[in-house]
Amino acid sequence: QQQVKQSPQSLIVQKGGISIINCAYENTAFDYFPWYQQFPGKGPALLIAIRPDVSEKKEGRFTISFNKSAKQFSLHIMDSQPGDSATYFCAALTGNQFYFGTGTSLTVIP
Amino acid sequence: NAGVTQTPKFQVLKTGQSMTLQCAQDMNHNSMYWYRQDPGMGLRLIYYSASEGTTDKGEVPNGYNVSRLNKREFSLRLESAAPSQTSVYFCASSELRVNYGYTFGSGTRLTVV
Repeated sequence: QQQVKQSPQSLIVQKGGISIINCAYENTAFDYFPWYQQFPGKGPALLIAIRPDVSEKKEGRFTISFNKSAKQFSLHIMDSQPGDSATYFCAALTGNQFYFGTGTSLTVIP
Repeated sequence: NAGVTQTPKFQVLKTGQSMTLQCAQDMNHNSMYWYRQDPGMGLRLIYYSASEGTTDKGEVPNGYNVSRLNKREFSLRLESAAPSQTSVYFCASSELRVNYGYTFGSGTRLTVV
């Protein structure tokens, strides 16, 4: 059973557009929600993260929106660039374990 | 450069062969992890070591064993490889509850034929 459900599986966005990736969870014990970015042939790298006591966190063009009551969080990439083309994973932490979403392959078209 | 080093990067095994994937980190992290990544499945935890001297099963431990050799090194062993173990394996380290993020290695692409 997938603890963290991620959508969409793939996403194509025009350069300059907004990319939005969504994740949902059920386990209320999760207390930390990061997003990872992975380029082909590389390991995932931490992009941005949020705790459940905050509704939004912004770092440059990347924003996490968090809805605790709905148990959902999303990644927004503003002014998407071809260099943002990668696979994005959401994750959630409880105890000593992270649970990952299934990933979203983002392609930004020039 | 500081980080997580995995070896080998690529490996092809025949069914039934054994091998050990090596992982070392130089960030003095207490916790280390082994994940496998499969298309459409995301990253699934195989085993982890919260601190030197301890190991615990993750979501998909069957067919694998691990050894936390010291604080730096955490190895993953396949005793009798099966085609279902064809995957990309990632090692990660962290100081959970301190910096909260994982540092991943660059992965080992394993094919079992």
